[in-house]
Amino acid sequence: SAVISQKPSRDICQRGTSLTIQCQVDSQVTMMFWYRQQPGQSLTLIATANQGSEATYESGFVIDKFPISRPNLTFSTLTVSNMSPEDSSIYLCSVGRGREKLFFGSGTQLSVL
Amino acid sequence: KQEVTQIPAALSVPEGENLVLNCSFTDSAIYNLQWFRQDPGKGLTSLLLIQSSQREQTSGRLNASLDKSSGRSTLYIAASQPGDSATYLCAVEGNNRLAFGKGNQVVVIP
Repeated sequence: SAVISQKPSRDICQRGTSLTIQCQVDSQVTMMFWYRQQPGQSLTLIATANQGSEATYESGFVIDKFPISRPNLTFSTLTVSNMSPEDSSIYLCSVGRGREKLFFGSGTQLSVL
Repeated sequence: KQEVTQIPAALSVPEGENLVLNCSFTDSAIYNLQWFRQDPGKGLTSLLLIQSSQREQTSGRLNASLDKSSGRSTLYIAASQPGDSATYLCAVEGNNRLAFGKGNQVVVIP
């Protein structure tokens, strides 16, 4: 199993600013995943973060808007840049793939005014 | 592209009743299916993981079945309790892709 500490748990931000979300895992993992969950919608994968290489972004998501860092095997950050109200969502980090259980952080509920 | 649908989107049941939540998916070439629980504004907690070769998994009051050929899974929660109130999501993994449903929002009325 894995325990993931994610922070902040929630934030209210002004349009045009940036927010960095942090995830710390209690064990070393190769890949970490960042998801967005818009109100009333299912989870959408933003990107996969590998240690030592550039993150891989899904269609519709770009590095300038969602820069990701992965400095070691237990930590990653996601920044939501130049925010607009459309970025109001829950952001989640996750570990575990390849036919095994998934573990999620507690989520960051972001509201942009 | 895998599409995952959960029906009903929302339901309320009196305490003690059994809950039946449905998940359907369009591509039967899956590795596994997982059920999660999500509390309001929170992350996801894995409840049950069913591998593609399995028909069901059980944990306490929870039982999940998988019928790959028909693209369906059902989560049963026996003798529901107010603490079971949450949103339940299913996720299907296949072809290195993970697809989530929108969830079943459950309220158990004391």
